[in-house]
Amino acid sequence: GIQVEQSPPDLILQEGANSTLRCNFSDSVNNLQWFHQNPWGQLINLFYIPSGTKQNGRLSATTVATERYSLLYISSSQTTDSGVYFCAVGNYGGATNKLIFGTGTLLAVQP
Amino acid sequence: DTAVSQTPKYLVTQMGNDKSIKCEQNLGHDTMYWYKQDSKKFLKIMFSYNNKELIINETVPNRFSPKSPDKAHLNLHINSLELGDSAVYFCASSRDRGGSSYNSPLHFGNGTRLTVT
Repeated sequence: GIQVEQSPPDLILQEGANSTLRCNFSDSVNNLQWFHQNPWGQLINLFYIPSGTKQNGRLSATTVATERYSLLYISSSQTTDSGVYFCAVGNYGGATNKLIFGTGTLLAVQP
Repeated sequence: DTAVSQTPKYLVTQMGNDKSIKCEQNLGHDTMYWYKQDSKKFLKIMFSYNNKELIINETVPNRFSPKSPDKAHLNLHINSLELGDSAVYFCASSRDRGGSSYNSPLHFGNGTRLTVT
């Protein structure tokens, strides 16, 4: 099945810094989503982005499907950005008819 | 308005007991899911229903039985609970099965933390 790797596994930032989180995947996908799990355990969908670039406020994401990676950019980080960021991929109608989650990047933003 | 709601939020029970977790979504979505998150935060799909039809059934012990009375509800019943069942269980929904021509973000409930003692 598809392998999903996220890097870095852990990241500590000072408030106001920028960061880039990466998601590599081992096979073709037609579904890719980014999620944020906050310190209270809630899982929030950030982006549905099987290809291309999207922006939502201080967050943006880019997926280059042909090269099998996606990037999540966080600009001007705030303490509320802390938590775990998950990438999830799927190939519906293909070999992996479900979303496979990566192991996540644990982000801590310090004031 | 809560989009995907699951109850209870916390569940503490003893080994051998039977328990249920309920999930409801008011988004009008066709597909609902159960995910398990272990102590290392790894998220894995357990089941998926599309319009009350079971479409994904992962390698899960048959002590776990999902039931979908209608497309807005998906419940999870667990028999003979074991220590290893302790985890956070998330319900989720999406508009359709997630085919490439559709925009189908996954929406999660707030989770049920199950502790088996």
